[in-house]
Amino acid sequence: DQQVKQNSPSLSVQEGRISILNCDYTNSMFDYFLWYKKYPAEGPTFLISISSIKDKNEDGRFTVFLNKSAKHLSLHIVPSQPGDSAVYFCAATGANSKLTFGKGITLSVRP
Amino acid sequence: EAGVAQSPRYKIIEKRQSVAFWCNPISGHATLYWYQQILGQGPKLLIQFQNNGVVDDSQLPKDRFSAERLKGVDSTLKIQPAKLEDSAVYLCASSFGGPFYNEQFFGPGTRLTVL
Repeated sequence: DQQVKQNSPSLSVQEGRISILNCDYTNSMFDYFLWYKKYPAEGPTFLISISSIKDKNEDGRFTVFLNKSAKHLSLHIVPSQPGDSAVYFCAATGANSKLTFGKGITLSVRP
Repeated sequence: EAGVAQSPRYKIIEKRQSVAFWCNPISGHATLYWYQQILGQGPKLLIQFQNNGVVDDSQLPKDRFSAERLKGVDSTLKIQPAKLEDSAVYLCASSFGGPFYNEQFFGPGTRLTVL
């Protein structure tokens, strides 16, 4: 039973355009959501997070939106850069602080 | 500040053999995690330590996997005997710990191939 779903395995965008990465969750006990970025042969690195009491969090080119009623979050990258090409994991946690990850989405930013 | 260190980076073994992975967390981090990431999947938590005690090992296949964190610092994850389906990247992560979520810092992982 997958509690965090990233239904699109890959996304390709042109440099300078917006990248929108989507994530859905099923467990209503999740109250904190994170995005991790992973380059090949490296471990995931934290990118941005959002608490369930907010609906938006921004950090430079990265913005995460949370729609609790739809159990949906999205990561927007504007403008996209070739260095953003990586695998992006959506993750969620609740009272037990245990992270549950989605399958990841491979973003390719074309120069 | 040094990151999470893991070794070896790559390991190839035959099925039914044994293998061990080592992790050195970030200094001062009380909580240590081992994750298994199968190709095409997200990381799945195997075991979580708080200092040298186990907090959660509910998804650890205890018939073949074992882990220890002696002295609350370094940790070792062992598989004995290995199966083909154990082929994956094994990630170690650490955090400051505490009752609420703290950012987890991941090591580069050990890629295990079981033939």
